[in-house]
Amino acid sequence: QKEVEQDPGPLSVPEGAIVSLNCTYSNSAFQYFMWYRQYSRKGPELLMYTYSSGNKEDGRFTAQVDKSSKYISLFIRDSQPSDSATYLCAMSPLGGTSYGKLTFGQGTILTVHP
Amino acid sequence: EPEVTQTPSHQVTQMGQEVILRCVPISNHLYFYWYRQILGQKVEFLVSFYNNEISEKSEIFDDQFSVERPDGSNFTLKIRSTKLEDSAMYFCASSVRDSEKLFFGSGTQLSVL
Repeated sequence: QKEVEQDPGPLSVPEGAIVSLNCTYSNSAFQYFMWYRQYSRKGPELLMYTYSSGNKEDGRFTAQVDKSSKYISLFIRDSQPSDSATYLCAMSPLGGTSYGKLTFGQGTILTVHP
Repeated sequence: EPEVTQTPSHQVTQMGQEVILRCVPISNHLYFYWYRQILGQKVEFLVSFYNNEISEKSEIFDDQFSVERPDGSNFTLKIRSTKLEDSAMYFCASSVRDSEKLFFGSGTQLSVL
């Protein structure tokens, strides 16, 4: 079983739609959960991070973590064409020297069409 | 807005040659990382670096790889004898502290022929 699994899509939605992106993981040591956005030929850009189960909201973005199910989600409300990118989930374990040792999902390619 | 800068953006080399990928992390950051992404695959952790030594490294980071902070601003990844399978996008990242908040550069596309 892969440590982090993410549906690569591609996902195509109309402008204004609510987008749901998801990842599952198998490693119980993961305690930090992040979503990165990656535009073509660019490095990943941190969108959101969270440590605990539950929801965290930032503008049009909501990150959700369910540690009991080992499942995380990112919701994008009122999606815009500028949201078109690859969305990567990433996780890291708690403590020690491992904070920056992120394990990424495959990435989901999202296209928002006008 | 401060950013992580990587040079060159593209590097083409012959198999068996040495390459050095360069990065200038954000100035007040203390932790530095290298990741790579083979075309169509996941972004993978290579190595983390703090206080002039490696904090952690992955199985990928074998004896052919080394990292260095030669001065107060640069952070380099050296591959001693490149292989075809080293072809990938290499990302440098930095963070203020031992943190999940990594800031990535735009990457160096390495092509080994």
